[in-house]
Amino acid sequence: QSALTQPASVSGSPGQSITISCTGTSSDVGSYNLVSWYQQHPGKAPKLMIYEVSKRPSGVSNRFSGSKSGNTASLTISGLQAEDEADYYCCSYAGSSTLNWVFGGGTKLTVL
Amino acid sequence: EVQLVESGGGLVQPGGSLRLSCAASGFTFSSYWMSWVRQAPGKGLEWVANIKQDGSEKYYVDSVKGRFTISRDNAKNSLYLQMNSLRAEDTAVYYCAREAPFGDGMDVWGQGTTVTVSS
Repeated sequence: QSALTQPASVSGSPGQSITISCTGTSSDVGSYNLVSWYQQHPGKAPKLMIYEVSKRPSGVSNRFSGSKSGNTASLTISGLQAEDEADYYCCSYAGSSTLNWVFGGGTKLTVL
Repeated sequence: EVQLVESGGGLVQPGGSLRLSCAASGFTFSSYWMSWVRQAPGKGLEWVANIKQDGSEKYYVDSVKGRFTISRDNAKNSLYLQMNSLRAEDTAVYYCAREAPFGDGMDVWGQGTTVTVSS
């Protein structure tokens, strides 16, 4: 089973909004509302930012939002801040007896 | 404080074995599915395996099936990954992660332990 498809990089200026896409298949993203997003700063462990497509864990800024349409999920970050510069990964439940979870390849966000 | 601490990484020759451990604290370990996720140098995250609360269900990514075994000891609040027949492509930082209920993502991560497979 292949990884979910994300753009390799996106960029934006402070205060702007950016959107990162995550494309899967009808076997993962398209079948389950169990898409999550993770932020990872260099040398650090990933941090859960969004779960169940659009829900935010306690403590995560409301500048982060998620959505899904068909086989594609999206993460939007509004009001970009310098500390948002990081790698972002989407993840979907795959529901297979052989593969429970599949990650995207990751997107490097640069705040200009 | 909710915490996961991995250990057991190191340098191993191709074909060798290694056992990773993950010590959990600050939460009821026996109530959660647990996963291992790895990240090769300069690459993205890859889910490796997970295990049900009581150990009765285990799942693996195809590339490690038959070589890796996930297990847990709820009495010791510990998760394990036994890795055999290691290959160069298994070189990565290995993270243990807690799976939130109902598929709500992996909400707690350890700091990772590095495995290097090289001669």
